[in-house]
Amino acid sequence: KAGVTQTPRYLIKTRGQQVTLSCSPISGHRSVSWYQQTPGQGLQFLFEYFSETQRNKGNFPGRFSGRQFSNSRSEMNVSTLELGDSALYLCASSIWPGGMSDTQYFGPGTRLTVL
Amino acid sequence: AQKVTQAQTEISVVEKEDVTLDCVYETRDTTYYLFWYKQPPSGELVFLIRRNSFDEQNEISGRYSWNFQKSTSSFNFTITASQVVDSAVYFCALSDSNYQLIWGAGTKLIIKP
Repeated sequence: KAGVTQTPRYLIKTRGQQVTLSCSPISGHRSVSWYQQTPGQGLQFLFEYFSETQRNKGNFPGRFSGRQFSNSRSEMNVSTLELGDSALYLCASSIWPGGMSDTQYFGPGTRLTVL
Repeated sequence: AQKVTQAQTEISVVEKEDVTLDCVYETRDTTYYLFWYKQPPSGELVFLIRRNSFDEQNEISGRYSWNFQKSTSSFNFTITASQVVDSAVYFCALSDSNYQLIWGAGTKLIIKP
């Protein structure tokens, strides 16, 4: 079974631009979560989607948004990029959302650099 | 409040040495799950193990073993006869009734040849 895929793997943008990242979950997984990872803040939860609905959201400004499609694929968008948005963005999929025992499986990440 | 502490920021050992990565957690729940993930330089987080709070049996998988002790709220991870390929950042995480993964800061493990 194919793992979680994320595109693109690398992105370079300038301040003020916007960016869209894509994530395809493992086949049969219906929940997708997004994380931001930086050296200073570690892994931070952005949001989780299930059945095209955002179920949980982390403490990030409204510039960060996402959506999920009917095939469970998900995109996240960051508008008006800031230097501090430079990070590795990780997508994870799981079978069901929010289950305490549910294991999340991660993609390779998209490394975003904002200049 | 929930919290996961990985006090070891970085560990460096020579190949073939055994190494233990510590994880201490805090939760008020009696039912919870603990996870370990490995993040190699490529960046992808790789799932290693999941353990529920009612199963205190130690787990062994090849050179990897996990020691879960509720009495000390610890879920430590040992690599026996370490190899260079084990070099990575290792994360411990907790999932309880809040249904969100709480992550430790990670331990960077360097295995020198």
